[in-house]
Amino acid sequence: QEQLVESGGGVVQPGTSLRLSCAASGFTFSRYGMHWVRQAPGKGLEWVAVIWFDGSNQYSVESVKGRFTISRDNSKNTLYLEMTSLRAEDTAIYYCASESIPKFRGSGTPVYWGQGTLVAVSS
Amino acid sequence: SSELTQDPAVSVALGQTVRITCQGDSLRSYYASWFQQKPGQAPILVISAENNRPSGIPDRFSGSSSGNTASLIITGAQAEDEADYYCNSRDSSGNHLLFGGGTQLTVL
Repeated sequence: QEQLVESGGGVVQPGTSLRLSCAASGFTFSRYGMHWVRQAPGKGLEWVAVIWFDGSNQYSVESVKGRFTISRDNSKNTLYLEMTSLRAEDTAIYYCASESIPKFRGSGTPVYWGQGTLVAVSS
Repeated sequence: SSELTQDPAVSVALGQTVRITCQGDSLRSYYASWFQQKPGQAPILVISAENNRPSGIPDRFSGSSSGNTASLIITGAQAEDEADYYCNSRDSSGNHLLFGGGTQLTVL
């Protein structure tokens, strides 16, 4: 049974940094692309970033380029999101999600989701 | 364009059929997936790309597409289907994902 557990969220001040983690279990993590998706309070879903199964490619939404970095450690079955220069508009629940097509070279559908971790950026 | 457009709210009488639509230029090239989200919960996939239904999803959920429009169809809506529904696809580059703004479904 695929399980994804996010951690690392919290309340931070504008301009600071935070690293989110997503621990995967119940499937062969190294075979699947992974995504971060966020949801601001009372708002819709916003895709943030994707990393291919082997880490060879990463893509992100324009609003976080240069500030957020997605990475993965396949030896630890863990996905990361390094967030710098945080802004109030980055306040959201951050979900990690995995794809379901093994070794897919592209941005596939985020099929399995964790329960999310809340990031609140406030002075 | 790099947007997916959904109606903000739709209602359906209990047991009736409802269609939730999603429009966007990229849907001419890529299939849409559909997610259901209930308050305080993570989204769950109800229709995957190419209009397939994941295991465990009731067969009253189906998907279709034509041109720049994808649709989620619920045939015989139940009270437990009341939720927010989001479409999802790739943008024109194929490397970035998009979500629609979401449709709040009310079952009357």
